[in-house]
Amino acid sequence: DAGITQSPRYKITETGRQVTLMCHQTWSHSYMFWYRQDLGHGLRLIYYSAAADITDKGEVPDGYVVSRSKTENFPLTLESATRSQTSVYFCASSEIGEWGGYTFGSGTRLTVV
Amino acid sequence: GQQVMQIPQYQHVQEGEDFTTYCNSSTTLSNIQWYKQRPGGHPVFLIQLVKSGEVKKQKRLTFQFGEAKKNSSLHITATQTTDVGTYFCAGLRKETSYDKVIFGPGTSLSVIP
Repeated sequence: DAGITQSPRYKITETGRQVTLMCHQTWSHSYMFWYRQDLGHGLRLIYYSAAADITDKGEVPDGYVVSRSKTENFPLTLESATRSQTSVYFCASSEIGEWGGYTFGSGTRLTVV
Repeated sequence: GQQVMQIPQYQHVQEGEDFTTYCNSSTTLSNIQWYKQRPGGHPVFLIQLVKSGEVKKQKRLTFQFGEAKKNSSLHITATQTTDVGTYFCAGLRKETSYDKVIFGPGTSLSVIP
């Protein structure tokens, strides 16, 4: 899974600050996704992108912003971090979208204090 | 709420025993995918099932998709300590204008050596 890289691996930020989580993939997969994983909720989709410059909301998009100016990058920005956004964030990519398996990055563990 | 359920939530087995996790959906699914996540790791795609009644095997793992395409199971024969982790199913459900992947909450497997 070296082809999809997330950074940083760990991040602590203060309430109200803006923070950006990075995701980079080297396969030129069209589809990219951002999930958050919380105990008791499993994996929940935040945003997804079917191609460069095409993004759409998932299940829990409030408080998050994404962009996809290049196929290989899909950054996730928390505009004004809240404690409820403390979570593990996974980026994933897929060659053919929902009809193919997703390849996940190693995740970013974000703590908002 | 969760539209894809998994049971059991946790399972502790003695090494060498068999293990089964079940995935149930309230609606018909277009496909079902299975992922494994080791403790502290990221989800890793295992397999995808598409056809009604489909059965696929990967060494000691057997995956089954129900006839009505609303449920699925993962069976591990003679568990090993390397099988430890959380197993997620993810169902693809056709919405009005798009396809939606819904992850189950996962079954956490512990293997006692």
